[in-house]
Amino acid sequence: EPEVTQTPSHQVTQMGQEVILRCVPISNHLYFYWYRQILGQKVEFLVSFYNNEISEKSEIFDDQFSVERPDGSNFTLKIRSTKLEDSAMYFCASSGIRGRSYGYTFGSGTRLTVV
Amino acid sequence: AQSVTQPDIHITVSEGASLELRCNYSYGATPYLFWYVQSPGQGLQLLLKYFSGDTLVQGIKGFEAEFKRSQSSFNLRKPSVHWSDAAEYFCAVNTNAGKSTFGDGTTLTVKP
Repeated sequence: EPEVTQTPSHQVTQMGQEVILRCVPISNHLYFYWYRQILGQKVEFLVSFYNNEISEKSEIFDDQFSVERPDGSNFTLKIRSTKLEDSAMYFCASSGIRGRSYGYTFGSGTRLTVV
Repeated sequence: AQSVTQPDIHITVSEGASLELRCNYSYGATPYLFWYVQSPGQGLQLLLKYFSGDTLVQGIKGFEAEFKRSQSSFNLRKPSVHWSDAAEYFCAVNTNAGKSTFGDGTTLTVKP
């Protein structure tokens, strides 16, 4: 079964450093998403991406965040200057059609720890 | 704005017993509803989805869910729980744009 792949599985970074979280969505999917889950809390929407541009973003997704699809296979989330409160599990997801009627395929996540 | 409420933070059932996890949603249009399961340290796996048609939907791993519009509910059920079902379960509702709003989750513990 096709999978969404995320790397690394765990990243530790110092506060103020830039991090890039990487995702390889399912190859024929067109819609891409990032979600995060702070430990013990609910899964929160960050951003959706389609046709090389952001479709929607949440209040969490401020100027410190950016997304990119640099080539035909990768989808990245960059945090420019990490803060302690950015520590969370970050999930990438993709779907083949507009997500409303179709559950996403989620990756297994990247656990980001900011120290 | 859409929202999802999972009233039960933690549920414990005995292996072999039946299970029902509650989910209530708020959304202005016809909802598209999902249940996901998350094992510790793992990603989110789609169990089942509802977007139209029969109000009782079947999913993977023997789970089913019933959509009740009058109650704004989408409860997840399983007739006989296995120890491997212990995990966290999330209900979610999608907007037209595909954004998912998740509930807080329900942690399921299975007693031997």
